Parts: sequence; C-alpha cells; structure tokens
Amino acid sequence: EPEVTQTPSHQVTQMGQEVILRCVPISNHLYFYWYRQILGQKVEFLVSFYNNEISEKSEIFDDQFSVERPDGSNFTLKIRSTKLEDSAMYFCASQGGNQPQHFGDGTRLSIL
Amino acid sequence: GEDVEQSLFLSVREGDSSVINCTYTDSSSTYLYWYKQEPGAGLQLLTYIFSNMDMKQDQRLTVLLNKKDKHLSLRIADTQTGDSAIYFCAASDTGGFKTIFGAGTRLFVKA
Repeated sequence: EPEVTQTPSHQVTQMGQEVILRCVPISNHLYFYWYRQILGQKVEFLVSFYNNEISEKSEIFDDQFSVERPDGSNFTLKIRSTKLEDSAMYFCASQGGNQPQHFGDGTRLSIL
Repeated sequence: GEDVEQSLFLSVREGDSSVINCTYTDSSSTYLYWYKQEPGAGLQLLTYIFSNMDMKQDQRLTVLLNKKDKHLSLRIADTQTGDSAIYFCAASDTGGFKTIFGAGTRLFVKA
C-alpha cells in the first residue's frame, strides 16, 4: 500500500538555525498538510496546501514557517530561525479527492 | 470550527473489552478517525468511518457513530497488553480539509 514518507526521522538543530523537513506524499494525492505534536500534547494543524498554494493555515504557522512543493514529488516545511518551542514531532499528511488523510511516521525535531 | 473531546485515561484488564468515547462538534465532518500512538512513535491509522455509516467492524475493532449526538466510540475486543497506547479520535473539518484531533485517551491494559 502506498504511504507518506518523511525524512529525517530525527533532526537536531541549534536554536536560530534554519531547518527543512521533507515529505514525499502519496503520488496521486492533491492535498498536503503539516501537523505538529509537542511532547505529551495533542496533534495540531499547521497548514494545508493545494494547487501549489496554501489553502489554510493556523495561528501557529507564522512568518517563520513556509511550505513548498519544489519538484512535484516532495513537500517541505521550512522553519527559518528555530526556537526552543519549535521542538516537536512534525507530521506530514496527504489526501486524494474524497478520501481520508494518510499520515507519515513523523520527524522528531529537537532544538538545542 | 471543529472541536473534538475525549476522556484522558482508561484502564482495563487483559481480555476485557475497552470502549473509548469521543464527541465532536461539527455535524458535517465527513471522516472520523481513530489513531493509535505508542510512546515516541508516529500516528498509526487504526480505522476510520465515513459520516454516512453507523458502524464499522474490523477484526477486534468496532467503531460506532451516533451522528445525532455527535458521538464516536471505539471498542477493542479481547484487549491485549500490546494495545496499551494513546488513542486519538479525529474528525475532518469541512471548513477546509484539515483534521482536528482530540487530546488522546491513554489506555492502560493490566495483565
């Protein structure tokens, strides 16, 4: 069964550095998402992306965050200048038409 | 927007049935999901139900949906110690397509 893949599985970064989290959605899907889960808390929506533009974003998704689909297969989340509170598990998801979302296994981001 | 609520803890004995309950607010949610998360791991999709269904059964898992009360439940038959995990209820938000998660129910299974 096709799946959403995320790399790396764990990223350790110094505070203030830029980080890029990568996702390969399921190939025929059209809708893409990033979610975040701070340790011990609920999964929170960050952003949705459709037709090469952001369709919705949450309050968490401020100017430090950006998303891109650079080459038609990858979907990336960039955090420009990381803060300690950005430490979390980041989940990518994709969805095709009228179907349920499929999630990747997540990238654990640790900011030092 | 959508809000999803679920109880935080459930403790059962091995071999018993577990029932995890969830309520949601948006009656037009298309999909309702149950995810399992083990410590330090990702989200494992256990099952989902489309909003025009009342029940879905998949081996030991039974999902019941009461649309009138906006209540979703997950029943795990013959609960095993390997079922110990956090179970997240989630609902699609028809204002967009995003998924809204509950806070998770931590299931403890006593041997």
